[in-house]
Amino acid sequence: DTGVSQNPRHKITKRGQNVTFRCDPISEHNRLYWYRQTLGQGPEFLTYFQNEAQLEKSRLLSDRFSAERPKGSFSTLEIQRTEQGDSAMYLCASSQIGGASPLHFGNGTRLTVT
Amino acid sequence: AQSVTQLGSHVSVSEGALVLLRCNYSSSVPPYLFWYVQYPNQGLQLLLKYTTGATLVKGINGFEAEFKKSETSFHLTKPSAHMSDAAEYFCAVSGQGSQGNLIFGKGTKLSVKP
Repeated sequence: DTGVSQNPRHKITKRGQNVTFRCDPISEHNRLYWYRQTLGQGPEFLTYFQNEAQLEKSRLLSDRFSAERPKGSFSTLEIQRTEQGDSAMYLCASSQIGGASPLHFGNGTRLTVT
Repeated sequence: AQSVTQLGSHVSVSEGALVLLRCNYSSSVPPYLFWYVQYPNQGLQLLLKYTTGATLVKGINGFEAEFKKSETSFHLTKPSAHMSDAAEYFCAVSGQGSQGNLIFGKGTKLSVKP
């Protein structure tokens, strides 16, 4: 169990630029989740995959956000035309199937939009 | 629909004192309940979880929590605080029959005074 890995750890970008984050889950986990966390708040759900299928998207996930998990292993989260309001910590988590299975989180990617 | 309320955004205790972090939940189905801890610039680490069975759940680092259905509560306790317990703590809920997506509270920041 090498844990959930996220890259990069930090990303600074200018408003209007596109950014892409990567998440490598625990290898035997079928589910992969993306959350967003802003200062003073708990993580907010964005989307999740079961294998390669994206099964749920939050209304927080605007059209500028897109997530993929093409082979059911790693996932990418892309934000197009970034805005200052996108500045946050983006957390990836993985789990086995089932509501009782705990989520295992990566250390996150901190995005700063200037 | 599910939600989590954590009472007190900031709790301060002396080293060696009892730690009590409060969590109340709302769920239309039998809940699964989780406590996570987050250290600065890191992801979330699972402390403990309640699924079914025994209502008093023991976790890592000496923490425990009790599920009280009548009070819709899942408060986190530790008999004696240590300096290393200073961190932010998040309560989260999912539900039987759910997809495993966790709904988080806003968090409680625990400070430990020497």
